[in-house]
Amino acid sequence: GPKVLQIPSHQIIDMGQMVTLNCDPVSNHLYFYWYKQILGQQMEFLVNFYNGKVMEKSKLFKDQFSVERPDGSYFTLKIQPTALEDSAVYFCASSFDSQNTLYFGAGTRLSVL
Amino acid sequence: GEQVEQLPSILRVQEGSSASINCSYEDSASNYFPWYKQEPGENPKLIIDIRSNMERKQIQELIVLLDKKAKRFSLHITDTQPGDSAMYFCAASGGSNAKLTFGKGTKLSVKS
Repeated sequence: GPKVLQIPSHQIIDMGQMVTLNCDPVSNHLYFYWYKQILGQQMEFLVNFYNGKVMEKSKLFKDQFSVERPDGSYFTLKIQPTALEDSAVYFCASSFDSQNTLYFGAGTRLSVL
Repeated sequence: GEQVEQLPSILRVQEGSSASINCSYEDSASNYFPWYKQEPGENPKLIIDIRSNMERKQIQELIVLLDKKAKRFSLHITDTQPGDSAMYFCAASGGSNAKLTFGKGTKLSVKS
């Protein structure tokens, strides 16, 4: 089936540093998402992105977070500066349109020390 | 925003029996209800979904039911196998931006 690729699979970073999580969505998909999952809990919506803009973001999407997809390259989530509570698995997802199935990547496990 | 409740949080069944997971939602505008299976360390994978124009859908041993009036939907796995052991998440979305709201998950263990 369609695959969403996430790079890296695991990132360890010191608190206060910047981190960028990369996502290569399904090639013809137009809607992109980031979800955050703390161990053993459900995935929680962070943000969705369409046509170069953030459509909606949750209260988990702090001011330190930003997303972009310059010129059809990776869809990225940047956290600057990182905090201890940012430690989680971050899942990228994409869909063809707003009424369609979301396909999730394998996640990036972020550990903030 | 939408809230999705999912029960039970833990479900243990014997191989060959049925397993049922129940979810409820709050937003009557929600019109799409997918179910995801997640194995440890892996991404959530869509296993079955239902839209609000249907009440029942079956794919092999998976059955989903939707009661729009009661704002409830459920997943039933018939003839469970050890390979069905995983976390299962229900979700709901509606409107124009396909934002999925997930339930807290059900850890299913199938014992042989």
